[in-house]
Amino acid sequence: GAGVSQSPSNKVTEKGKDVELRCDPISGHTALYWYRQRLGQGLEFLIYFQGNSAPDKSGLPSDRFSAERTGESVSTLTIQRTQQEDSAVYLCASSLQLVPDTQYFGPGTRLTVL
Amino acid sequence: AQSVTQPDIHITVSEGASLELRCNYSYGATPYLFWYVQSPGQGLQLLLKYFSGDTLVQGIKGFEAEFKRSQSSFNLRKPSVHWSDAAEYFCAVPPGAGSYQLTFGKGTKLSVIP
Repeated sequence: GAGVSQSPSNKVTEKGKDVELRCDPISGHTALYWYRQRLGQGLEFLIYFQGNSAPDKSGLPSDRFSAERTGESVSTLTIQRTQQEDSAVYLCASSLQLVPDTQYFGPGTRLTVL
Repeated sequence: AQSVTQPDIHITVSEGASLELRCNYSYGATPYLFWYVQSPGQGLQLLLKYFSGDTLVQGIKGFEAEFKRSQSSFNLRKPSVHWSDAAEYFCAVPPGAGSYQLTFGKGTKLSVIP
């Protein structure tokens, strides 16, 4: 079946602009996660959604970051007033249920802030 | 919060040689432990996971890992490396009981010499 998809695959923006990143999870997966991977670093957790529960936003680095999810489907991660330090690969993952279930990752969106 | 440490940033092995990638975790209780691989231009893929039971876990692509509580380790092994194994490998663990996201190590980059 189809895996996790993300769009766009690459995004170049100017400092101060807003960007929206999209994630389509695997159908039927109730849990959805966003991570950030800076160059040469491991993944940093940003936020997760589980069903209709309130999302866990504890990993969001600042109030410029926000995310939404429509039911158990598409999620968008929005970064307002982008800064150069936001440049990274943003990865989305989904799982059938919360950990310890396997998370399936999308290919990521590479964001470059000039 | 629980964390993982991958002491080796970069490892180079010859094709056909054996491989061991180190992962140490910090936590009191038996954790859930994961190994993911990230190949160039591809998303993260689960290699194997440990939840409980047999401490020697078999994964995909001929990889295995052994959970050693006494050493707080979950090292990844492969008896004979193939050129296609060149990639970055990440160990991951939930940051605490009841946590659903994963905390990743900084990764170990594996290079394979033909």
